[in-house]
Amino acid sequence: DAGVTQSPTHLIKTRGQHVTLRCSPISGHKSVSWYQQVLGQGPQFIFQYYEKEERGRGNFPDRFSARQFPNYSSELNVNALLLGDSALYLCASSFSERPPYFGPGTRLTVL
Amino acid sequence: QQQVKQSPQSLIVQKGGISIINCAYENTAFDYFPWYQQFPGKGPALLIAIRPDVSEKKEGRFTISFNKSAKQFSLHIMDSQPGDSATYFCAASKGGSNYKLTFGKGTLLTVNP
Repeated sequence: DAGVTQSPTHLIKTRGQHVTLRCSPISGHKSVSWYQQVLGQGPQFIFQYYEKEERGRGNFPDRFSARQFPNYSSELNVNALLLGDSALYLCASSFSERPPYFGPGTRLTVL
Repeated sequence: QQQVKQSPQSLIVQKGGISIINCAYENTAFDYFPWYQQFPGKGPALLIAIRPDVSEKKEGRFTISFNKSAKQFSLHIMDSQPGDSATYFCAASKGGSNYKLTFGKGTLLTVNP
């Protein structure tokens, strides 16, 4: 079975630009969550979506937004990029309230 | 504030030895404590998890010990192997929201041959 897939794998942007990251969950998983992992730190929770509705939001500014589509895939959008947004962005999917399975992540570099 | 504190930051163990990683939490509402293993270039993978109604859980060479009164839990890797070399994260969640995990900062484990 395919795991969580994310695209792109790497991305380079400049300050002020906008970025969209994509995620496809494991088949049958209706919940998708997003995490930010800064180098040398543990992942930090950004959002969780279930059945296309936002169910949780971490302590991130409004520049971060997300959505979930009818096929349960998801997008994370970040506007007005800052240097500090450089990180590995992880998508995770889960079945009901079970612990999440993480994808390989998208490495975002902001110059 | 850091709700889950993990130590040590890095750990070097000889092949066949025991690796021990410790975590402490502050929020008594946490009721689910997983450990994740992350290899370079990969996302974290669930290794083993425990709930506070048990004091120990073992799966193969991996054991979680849990001390509810001290608000501490630890991961023990028995007979450590070079293939165990990775970054390990403890995490915690509450209220059935197992998707919303609070992670520790991670421990880089190196197992020498």
